[in-house]
Order: sequence, then structure tokens, then C-alpha cells
Amino acid sequence: AQSVTQLGSHVSVSEGALVLLRCNYSSSVPPYLFWYVQYPNQGLQLLLKYTSAATLVKGINGFEAEFKKSETSFHLTKPSAHMSDAAEYFCAVTRSYNQGGKLIFGQGTELSVKP
Amino acid sequence: DAGVTQSPTHLIKTRGQQVTLRCSPKSGHDTVSWYQQALGQGPQFIFQYYEEEERQRGNFPDRFSGHQFPNYSSELNVNALLLGDSALYLCASSFQGQTEAFFGQGTRLTVV
Repeated sequence: AQSVTQLGSHVSVSEGALVLLRCNYSSSVPPYLFWYVQYPNQGLQLLLKYTSAATLVKGINGFEAEFKKSETSFHLTKPSAHMSDAAEYFCAVTRSYNQGGKLIFGQGTELSVKP
Repeated sequence: DAGVTQSPTHLIKTRGQQVTLRCSPKSGHDTVSWYQQALGQGPQFIFQYYEEEERQRGNFPDRFSGHQFPNYSSELNVNALLLGDSALYLCASSFQGQTEAFFGQGTRLTVV
């Protein structure tokens, strides 16, 4: 069975500092991995996705993530945090490439950015 | 392009009642999935509709049912509401052959 674990339910960084949000997956087959962001009282917005092409994936708003099969990880990073990055971030996995898949989400990591 | 639209945005219901939530997919999308997001949790997959049929289902009781119409819009119905059904209900649409799912703003359901 597939699962996703996000390490740290809350991460706090200073504006301009590196953002690192951790995600580990468990999957018996090569997965497709996603990072979504959720602002208060809103739906989910796709930041980036890994679909077995390049292992380093660049997304919107300066975020990127690296797929590491040996570590079963897909950590999200951003070199310099901005106040507008404060939100909830979810890592998700699916193996259904052709079905806009059934997504399995992690518990989420709340990112706070201090001025 | 209006994106994925859901209605209503907020809803308050009493235990034991029934509720219907609605979703219009993004233009060109033919697949609709529904998720339940309890407070402080990640979204959980309820079911997915394609060609007006339920194709996949998560671990939710039969009180949760749905429908997809010929224009690809969808409804989520929940019968015999429980306090634990209080959550944000998210609709996501996608197109066959693509992995990317687009989410609506959600419907906040409160059961009292």
C-alpha cells in the first residue's frame, strides 16, 4: 500500500532563509509524487510534480523538489523564504498515471515565515 | 477558464440530515474526484467518477455516494450525517492520461 510521511507538522523559518519541507513515501511501484500548497480557507494548488522524467523538479513560486529513490524521499525546498510562502504544504503520491489519480496525501506541514 | 467550482462554499446541517455538494470541473476535464479534509489533516480520497460511473473508492461508508452528469459535473451526497462528517470537502478534476488534478476551493460542512 502506498503512504506518505511528512516529517514535522510545523516548520518556522525567517524571511530570506532556506525552506526545507520533508516528505518520504512508501510505494511498491514507481510512484508519481506531488507537492500542493493550501492557503487558509482555500483549496489546493499544485506546486510541482514528479512523473519519472528529471529527478530534480522545478515548480511555481521558486520551489523545487528532488526525487531520491534510494532514500524514498521527495523533499521540497526554496532558497529564500518570502512572507507570502506561509501556508500548509501537502505531499501526495499516486501510481495511477492515466487516471489523474487517486491521491494519497501526507498529514501536511504548516510553514510559518518570520519577518 | 473558471477552473473547478464548488457550491455551496459553507453549509451547516443537523445530525441525521442529508446533504448534497456540487462540483463543476475545469473546462476540458472529464474525471472528478472527491476528498474529505478534516481539520488539521491531509485530504482523504472518497471516490472518483469517470464516464458517469464510480471508478475508484476510498475507505468511506455507503452513506457517501455520488453522481456524475453527462456534462461531467458531479455531486457528492452524504446521508445520515454524523458530527464526524464535519470537514472541508474538496473536488478535483483531471483529464484522462494526465496526472495533474486541479482542486476547487472546497465546501466547508459543519454538522451540529
